[in-house]
Amino acid sequence: GAVVSQHPSRVICKSGTSVKIECRSLDFQATTMFWYRQFPKQSLMLMATSNEGSKATYEQGVEKDKFLINHASLTLSTLTVTSAHPEDSSFYICSAREWGYSYEQYFGPGTRLTVT
Amino acid sequence: SQQGEEDPQALSIQEGENATMNCSYKTSINNLQWYRQNSGRGLVHLILIRSNEREKHSGRLRVTLDTSKKSSSLLITASRAADTASYFCATDVSQAGTALIFGKGTTLSVSS
Repeated sequence: GAVVSQHPSRVICKSGTSVKIECRSLDFQATTMFWYRQFPKQSLMLMATSNEGSKATYEQGVEKDKFLINHASLTLSTLTVTSAHPEDSSFYICSAREWGYSYEQYFGPGTRLTVT
Repeated sequence: SQQGEEDPQALSIQEGENATMNCSYKTSINNLQWYRQNSGRGLVHLILIRSNEREKHSGRLRVTLDTSKKSSSLLITASRAADTASYFCATDVSQAGTALIFGKGTTLSVSS
């Protein structure tokens, strides 16, 4: 089956710094990737939709200047959390839709971000 | 945004018992999917049921879908301690550029 990877799996950073999370589709091309955030004991909340070669679409309440998304190729999307604060500590999960085939959505394993 | 609600929010049962979780959603869908998530881990896809299907089985899992009521249920039969996890339903409109939208989830605890 299709595989989506994320890197890093865990990251700890200091308040005020920026962190980049990569999401890759390993064996398929994804025109669209999605970023979700999950706080402890809560569900996944869609943050943004990332389309290859165009600007990301952010969900209501998600600061686009804080969560920078770049989808530079059909296999890579990145999420950069800028000027991170402790309240940004969360589990970030990406997913990808396979281009032109069933639109099935595949999920990455997630990245645990802790901001100290 | 979240599409729907799951109930119960938490469920505690003994090994061997059946566990039933329900999911309601708000809009028309192409399919509905159920996922499992162990604490602190990624999602595991369990089963997908299309809007023209009413029931689907996979091993000890049975999923039903009632599009007229916009609801689905997940039944886990003969539960095991290893089934302890959070379970989420996710709705899909299956259009390019659209994401799965997750319900709030049910936390299942199976004790031995």
